[in-house]
Amino acid sequence: QKEVEQNSGPLSVPEGAIASLNCTYSDRGSQSFFWYRQYSGKSPELIMFIYSNGDKEDGRFTAQLNKASQYVSLLIRDSQPSDSATYLCASRGGNKLTFGTGTQLKVEL
Amino acid sequence: GAVVSQHPSRVICKSGTSVKIECRSLDFQATTMFWYRQFPKQSLMLMATSNEGSKATYEQGVEKDKFLINHASLTLSTLTVTSAHPEDSSFYICSAYDRLNTEAFFGQGTRLTVV
Repeated sequence: QKEVEQNSGPLSVPEGAIASLNCTYSDRGSQSFFWYRQYSGKSPELIMFIYSNGDKEDGRFTAQLNKASQYVSLLIRDSQPSDSATYLCASRGGNKLTFGTGTQLKVEL
Repeated sequence: GAVVSQHPSRVICKSGTSVKIECRSLDFQATTMFWYRQFPKQSLMLMATSNEGSKATYEQGVEKDKFLINHASLTLSTLTVTSAHPEDSSFYICSAYDRLNTEAFFGQGTRLTVV
């Protein structure tokens, strides 16, 4: 069974710090990987996606992919209270997205 | 980015009745749409893949006769929960892929409560 694993958290970081969110996946055939942010009661919002090994940066966010280790991460620099949410990692195989259970991030003042 | 509009955002219905949820792609043509269900504190679980002009493909364990999916046009897919029961209460979310964008865009979600 194809799985995406995330630590449920909560992960607490002080405002201004770097938040590091991790994800592992089991399907080596996965083609690309996505990070979504989901506020309570709301639909997921795409933060970024990555499909090549290495780092991809977009503003305060950096996604990292290591296909050999089947590992994806998301770094959030200068964390803000508004970043407090659940972060979902998803892998794509064909047209299907497989989601992890999400990591709850709390950015504290 | 592309916009996917889902309606209604919240619905309460009586046990045994049916509820229809609409998902529209507003500024692009969605040949494929996906329907997810999310229970509290859990991840999104894919229920079915909806393809324009053809039958939906249901994931294992999802009753196709209970969750009716229609994708009659390139911009509209509907999910009908038939004979709803309290255990069907959940957050239902649709998603549409624009292959050119290689991204999946989500609707706002529908909170279904069956009483």
